[in-house]
Amino acid sequence: NAGVTQTPKFQVLKTGQSMTLQCAQDMNHEYMSWYRQDPGMGLRLIHYSVGAGITDQGEVPNGYNVSRSTTEDFPLRLLSAAPSQTSVYFCASSLYHLGLAGGPYNEQFFGPGTRLTVL
Amino acid sequence: GESVGLHLPTLSVQEGDNSIINCAYSNSASDYFIWYKQESGKGPQFIIDIRSNMDKRQGQRVTVLLNKTVKHLSLQIAATQPGDSAVYFCAENMIQGAQKLVFGQGTRLTINP
Repeated sequence: NAGVTQTPKFQVLKTGQSMTLQCAQDMNHEYMSWYRQDPGMGLRLIHYSVGAGITDQGEVPNGYNVSRSTTEDFPLRLLSAAPSQTSVYFCASSLYHLGLAGGPYNEQFFGPGTRLTVL
Repeated sequence: GESVGLHLPTLSVQEGDNSIINCAYSNSASDYFIWYKQESGKGPQFIIDIRSNMDKRQGQRVTVLLNKTVKHLSLQIAATQPGDSAVYFCAENMIQGAQKLVFGQGTRLTINP
């Protein structure tokens, strides 16, 4: 299994440009999420999906769109990039276990990240 | 704002010593907690988790302690090794909800030879 893959690894955009960050997983996980990580900070949830066709907003959704047409893919779209969106973006996926003794109950697998700079 | 925070941003320990990384959370409704390790240039990696109906959980060289009375979480790493150098994050979640993990700021652990 490749796990969680993200492309591109690095991207530089000009203010106002649009782009899509790709995320794919081959573990048949139901749950997928996008986070951003700013310097010296923890990760903040942007959007998440509990299955194909279902998405919802996280803590910092403004300026980002997502869709989940398949179980494997969860792209993140920036419609009009702004310098405030300069960050490292991580995609994650997981199976969600409830009631299983011993856990882990919500082990998220993270991709390697995409470093985005908006000029 | 974030409901999870860490007491210390950096921690230096001697190789072979035990490390203790602390975390405070403010959402008393959170019932599931996770520790992640993030090495430079990589995504976070799951270390260990604990549900709120437990006080302690042990893994390989790691132990997580949960004190719900004071809303405090700690990660203990036994016999730290150079490979343990990384930033460690705690995160909280509500099991009955979706995967809305809330991450703390992180603690950078440095191992001195």
